[in-house]
Amino acid sequence: QTVVTQEPSLTVSPGGTVTLTCASSTGAVTSGYYPNWFQQKPGQAPRALIYSTSNKYSWTPARFSGSLLGAKAALTLSGVQPEDEAEYYCLLYYGGAQPWVFGGGTKLTVL
Amino acid sequence: EVQLVESGGGLVQPGGSLRLSCAASGLTFNTYWMHWVRQAPGKGLVWVSQINSDGTNTNYADSVKGRFTISRDNAKNTLYLQMNSLRVEDTAMYYCTRGYYYGTDYWGQGTLVTVSS
Repeated sequence: QTVVTQEPSLTVSPGGTVTLTCASSTGAVTSGYYPNWFQQKPGQAPRALIYSTSNKYSWTPARFSGSLLGAKAALTLSGVQPEDEAEYYCLLYYGGAQPWVFGGGTKLTVL
Repeated sequence: EVQLVESGGGLVQPGGSLRLSCAASGLTFNTYWMHWVRQAPGKGLVWVSQINSDGTNTNYADSVKGRFTISRDNAKNTLYLQMNSLRVEDTAMYYCTRGYYYGTDYWGQGTLVTVSS
């Protein structure tokens, strides 16, 4: 069974920079896994932030960026705002009969 | 504006059935893959199923294969999830979401399914 691993929790100060990562049990994450990133606040539906590693949606704030960092996918927040406190999920594409696997999520605290 | 509105959730006994619906508006529904994703209370997101634009290709997570069926009615701009043989562990918020370039972009607000005796 494929497992996608994220940091369970991270803390960042307002105005700071933080990087969240997303690893695959199958090996290095490449662009072929089309990493997606989502933000979810309590009581709300998830909101898409990044698709295909680094592409932003029209609603994605400029301070969010996606990349590959070593063998992982990464989401970097630069100039963190208090409203960025949320759970963040990555999603990887594996193809085949069960093509999609979410990571377990990272709870980001802005303190 | 794209809107996805789920309905059909509720309380059901183990072994029972439910059919979820997702009404789509503001998009050319018959050109997009669609997905169901669920989230158990206090837990993370789990991909459940996907269907291609014309309904001829479907995929399921192992945990629901053989019990859940995804379908769509493009004339009604509606996505469905027929859930049979429900288990306590199927208790979750169920979201429909639009497929977009090897990912998903727009999400509904979800419908809650509770399986309990």
